Amino acid sequence: QQQVRQSPQSLTVWEGETAILNCSYEDSTFDYFPWYWQFPRESPALLIAIRPVSNKKEDGRFTIFFNKREKKLSLHITDSQPGDSATYFCAASAGTGGYKVVFGSGTRLLVSP
Amino acid sequence: EAAVTQSPRNKVAVTGGKVTLSCNQTNNHNNMYWYRQDTGHGLRLIHYSYGAGSTEKGDIPDGYKASRPSQENFSLILELATPSQTSVYFCASGDTGSSAETLYFGSGTRLTVL
Repeated sequence: QQQVRQSPQSLTVWEGETAILNCSYEDSTFDYFPWYWQFPRESPALLIAIRPVSNKKEDGRFTIFFNKREKKLSLHITDSQPGDSATYFCAASAGTGGYKVVFGSGTRLLVSP
Repeated sequence: EAAVTQSPRNKVAVTGGKVTLSCNQTNNHNNMYWYRQDTGHGLRLIHYSYGAGSTEKGDIPDGYKASRPSQENFSLILELATPSQTSVYFCASGDTGSSAETLYFGSGTRLTVL
């Protein structure tokens, strides 16, 4: 079963708008939640990450909001730019079980100028 | 930045044939991973390793074997390739020490099984 779920599968926003990407998980032992982005014909790369001790992590225009009780998190991209167009993966890992890192199915974001 | 090199970049194999995908990393990371990427499924973990000589099953290990003969090298082996294994395969490496490791990915191998 999918341990990490993402929605929507695809999202289109206009340049300057805020894009909101959602993620949920099932395993309470997950203690680290990185987001990776992947541009067409490239490899995934780390974008931003959060630990459950925080409910918010900001890095420029990118912000993760985390709700531990509901096992949900979201990535907000403010003032979206065409260069943000990529597939975004929510991932999760746990200290037990050997740092296994599992990924969601991804959200394909298109920012239209 | 970590350097992870995969070979080959592209591979066409026949059903029932043996396929070996290779991965080499030069930054002395203990952990290495093999994922496959398919539309609608994201990145699914096949096998991973904590260091030379160790291999662990991921979420979808059936039909795959892994080998970690050294710190630098991690191979994925398809003994009897099937068309359902047509996919893009990514190798990744990561620092050890906590669950908060960053994964560094190779460029991927596109495998087609006819």
